[in-house]
Amino acid sequence: EAQVTQNPRYLITVTGKKLTVTCSQNMNHEYMSWYRQDPGLGLRQIYYSMNVEVTDKGDVPEGYKVSRKEKRNFPLILESPSPNQTSLYFCASRQSWATSNQPQHFGDGTRLSIL
Amino acid sequence: KQEVTQIPAALSVPEGENLVLNCSFTDSAIYNLQWFRQDPGKGLTSLLLIQSSQREQTSGRLNASLDKSSGRSTLYIAASQPGDSATYLCAVVKAGFQKLVFGTGTRLLVSP
Repeated sequence: EAQVTQNPRYLITVTGKKLTVTCSQNMNHEYMSWYRQDPGLGLRQIYYSMNVEVTDKGDVPEGYKVSRKEKRNFPLILESPSPNQTSLYFCASRQSWATSNQPQHFGDGTRLSIL
Repeated sequence: KQEVTQIPAALSVPEGENLVLNCSFTDSAIYNLQWFRQDPGKGLTSLLLIQSSQREQTSGRLNASLDKSSGRSTLYIAASQPGDSATYLCAVVKAGFQKLVFGTGTRLLVSP
């Protein structure tokens, strides 16, 4: 089954404790991205990757890092989490950005609470 | 800066009604527009994608239209069912940019 898998689904942690949210897709997609969803603000892009070893900032990259060493994986790293990063996070993928007729596929989300 | 607005923010209808959800965007230079469904505690499910050169797309009871010049899209749901209850999001990809810009959604409740 084609899917985008995020782990963990839920995490409560404390300020300053490094954490990684993993994202994996099994569709051999080139393009992957991370979004956060906050009440009243909707979904905003954090980082994206157009292919292996190619990443770039989205609208709200501060406090986050990403890496794309393999095509299927795109982890989101919070080196020193702060309470304002409490949010619902989504990973998404798409075959490529070269054509306009392909939808993005989303994972089920990761709810992070930073105390 | 591209802004996407969805009206209404919430909608409650009895089962069987036909309904229309609205999405407007400020910059007509879009690559495509996508409608999603989000269920509580779940991710986003893609419903329909309309390329900038298209006027509409249909899937089952869903029909999405796009009027780029006026910056509007509508999602028409025919014969609504309780299982249609969810939040519906529209998102546009601006030409030349690598991201979806989302509206804040319409929360739909269909009562039996």
